[in-house]
Amino acid sequence: AQRVTQPEKLLSVFKGAPVELKCNYSYSGSPELFWYVQYSRQRLQLLLRHISRESIKGFTADLNKGETSFHLKKPFAQEEDSAMYYCALHAGNNRKLIWGLGTSLAVNP
Amino acid sequence: DAGITQSPRYKITETGRQVTLMCHQTWSHSYMFWYRQDLGHGLRLIYYSAAADITDKGEVPDGYVVSRSKTENFPLTLESATRSQTSVYFCASKGGGSQETQYFGPGTRLLVL
Repeated sequence: AQRVTQPEKLLSVFKGAPVELKCNYSYSGSPELFWYVQYSRQRLQLLLRHISRESIKGFTADLNKGETSFHLKKPFAQEEDSAMYYCALHAGNNRKLIWGLGTSLAVNP
Repeated sequence: DAGITQSPRYKITETGRQVTLMCHQTWSHSYMFWYRQDLGHGLRLIYYSAAADITDKGEVPDGYVVSRSKTENFPLTLESATRSQTSVYFCASKGGGSQETQYFGPGTRLLVL
């Protein structure tokens, strides 16, 4: 079955500390993975796509097919990074995304 | 991001009433989606549409109806609202190519009393 797992509901770190939000997926084919972010009371917006291999707002994410993971990392967290982060998987020919339950990141001063 | 809008942004209604949430996008995207967002459940897909006059059920379609008579509009109707439908509803759209990025509306907060 196709599934996305974000094991942490809440992650709390101090400003300047490294942060890693975990995402594991289950899919036998070639996945396309995304990280979306939702700041307080705002719409969801795309943060990263694995195919772009880009760094956005200091965040990076590498697809590890061996571990079926797509963890989101940032070396030095900022208070403005506090948000809900969702990992999503596109698998197959249909156009739906499969979503994780989200991780709420709190960056404390 | 201003290309996809939702109305109303906030709605209070009573159990048993019919409610329609509107979604409009200006990109002529083929695909449109309706999600509900609830604590502990993340985002759940209600319905989606691949093109005008083509709709399909998502994970949690019961109690909802959609239509897509025009590419740019994708209204979601709660035929007889229930308290369990109290939620934040997000509409999203994406183009028809291989790019899978979905673009989200600002959301509608619905309270069913």
